[in-house]
Parts: sequence; C-alpha cells; structure tokens
Amino acid sequence: EDKVVQSPLSLVVHEGDTVTLNCSYEVTNFRSLLWYKQEKKAPTFLFMLTSSGIEKKSGRLSSILDKKELFSILNITATQTGDSAVYLCAVESNNDMRFGAGTRLTVKP
Amino acid sequence: EAQVTQNPRYLITVTGKKLTVTCSQNMNHEYMSWYRQDPGLGLRQIYYSMNVEVTDKGDVPEGYKVSRKEKRNFPLILESPSPNQTSLYFCASSPLRTGYGYTFGSGTRLTVV
Repeated sequence: EDKVVQSPLSLVVHEGDTVTLNCSYEVTNFRSLLWYKQEKKAPTFLFMLTSSGIEKKSGRLSSILDKKELFSILNITATQTGDSAVYLCAVESNNDMRFGAGTRLTVKP
Repeated sequence: EAQVTQNPRYLITVTGKKLTVTCSQNMNHEYMSWYRQDPGLGLRQIYYSMNVEVTDKGDVPEGYKVSRKEKRNFPLILESPSPNQTSLYFCASSPLRTGYGYTFGSGTRLTVV
C-alpha cells in the first residue's frame, strides 16, 4: 500500500532558526511530490517536485527531491512567527494523491 | 477570483440528522474530491469525482454520499451523521486527478453530538 511519512510530527523553534522537514514515501508509479502549508484554514500550495536533485526555492523556503532514496526535504531559513503552520507533504502516483500526516511547526518570538 | 467555496464553515449537529456540505469551484476543473482531516492522520480521501456523473470511493467512504450533477458542484452528504464523523472537511479541485496539485476550499469544521 502506498504511504507517505513525515517527520518530525511537531517542531518548536525560535525566530531566526533554520528548520528541515522530512517526507519519505513508498508509492507505485510516482509522478510528483507536493508541499503545502496549512495555517488555520485551507492548505496552500508551496512546491511541486518531479525531478531528483533540482532545488525549488521561494524566498526563505526551499525543497529538494531524491527519487532514488524516496524522500524530500523542505527547508525554511531565518524562520519567522508567520511560518508557524502545519506543513503537508503529498505524493502523486498515476492514479492517486496521498498525503502525509503533516509536521506542525511552531516558531516562537 | 479562482476559488473553491465550501459551506458552511462551522456546523454542530445531532446524531442522525441528515446534513449536506456544499462545495463549488469556478475554475472549470474536471476533478473534485472530499477529504477529512483528523489529528495525527493527515488528510484522508472520502470520495472523488473525475467528471460530471463520475464518482468513486476514496479511502474512508463509509457514512458519506456524494453527487456530481454539474461540473462546478460536488456536495458531501451525511445521511445519518455519527460522532465519529466529527472532523475537519476539505473540498479540493484540480484540472485533472494528477499533475496539477489541488486547490482547497476553506474547510468545514463539523461536530456531531
């Protein structure tokens, strides 16, 4: 059965810290891996990764995919309190999109 | 503005009283889906629809019904809600099932007492 595992489940840091969130997967017929940020409401799209080794960046956030080892990381540098959220990883196969349980990030002032 | 609109945002109901959560998208997307989100379990798919009149079960369909009579609307029906259906529900849409990522609605927090 396809599965997506995120770690850690929760993380508390202070402003200015750098964090790394992990997502590992076992999926048949992998197509892409997506990261979403969920604050108090709907998940919002961050990145879609389809190729190994190509870093996607958006401001202080970056992500990379390793299709050989079947994982992705999401890095956030110089964290701010506005980065506090649940970060969801999702993996698309030919027929499905499966979500991990999420990592709850809390950034303290 | 391109969006997925869910209503209501919050709902408290009693066991056994039928309810419908509406979902509408204005992006002409073919694919729509319902998820429930519970602590520690992430987003689990309830039902999805590939197009008008085409629906199928996701991972946790028991106790739910859906219909897709028009492309833009995909209501979620709980015929006889039970307390274990207390959850946060999201509707999502996408041009196709895979390859594009999903646009999510704002969520419906349902409490069944």
